[in-house]
Amino acid sequence: DADVTQTPRNRITKTGKRIMLECSQTKGHDRMYWYRQDPGLGLRLIYYSFDVKDINKGEISDGYSVSRQAQAKFSLSLESAIPNQTALYFCATSDYRDSGYTFGSGTRLTVV
Amino acid sequence: AQTVTQSQPEMSVQEAETVTLSCTYDTSESDYYLFWYKQPPSRQMILVIRQEAYKQQNATENRFSVNFQKAAKSFSLKISDSQLGDAAMYFCAYRRGAAGNKLTFGGGTRVLVKP
Repeated sequence: DADVTQTPRNRITKTGKRIMLECSQTKGHDRMYWYRQDPGLGLRLIYYSFDVKDINKGEISDGYSVSRQAQAKFSLSLESAIPNQTALYFCATSDYRDSGYTFGSGTRLTVV
Repeated sequence: AQTVTQSQPEMSVQEAETVTLSCTYDTSESDYYLFWYKQPPSRQMILVIRQEAYKQQNATENRFSVNFQKAAKSFSLKISDSQLGDAAMYFCAYRRGAAGNKLTFGGGTRVLVKP
């Protein structure tokens, strides 16, 4: 099994729908991140969490919310999806011991 | 805020030749780390190489090496003896100081390898 698992892998949804992207990890890392990838813009940080009780906004948090249900689980929600939220979304983990970052395989979300 | 800029949207290289990808960054910090990540069509993010700012020696990993120019805030990646499997998106990334901090990415460079 992958160290960082994202579900779903691909998703098409309609404008205005609520959608949740899920991320779970078996790395034992305390820090988790949600990034969004768009062509030419690279990966931009949406939200990050340094532990279960610590949630922080990234540079592009508008229109998104997150929940850290446990150390191993970090979900991203789009309350009312819009077409410009069409992108590739990555979950990542890291820890204070500098063992590196581990990325999930991404969720490609299309909002029509 | 820190920014990372990759000025080359796409680079093409002949198999077995060398290609250099550019990256510049802006920071007022003295303690930071720089990374190059590879993203093949599988979408996986793969760490290629990392450089600690306090180290003057340029990092090397097999056919991949960097040219780290701290004063110029430049961090280029050289891929030697290019192989078809090197074809991918490459992202430069910055991390401020302490382990576990968030990464800031550049816009990416697509590398095409011609047989």
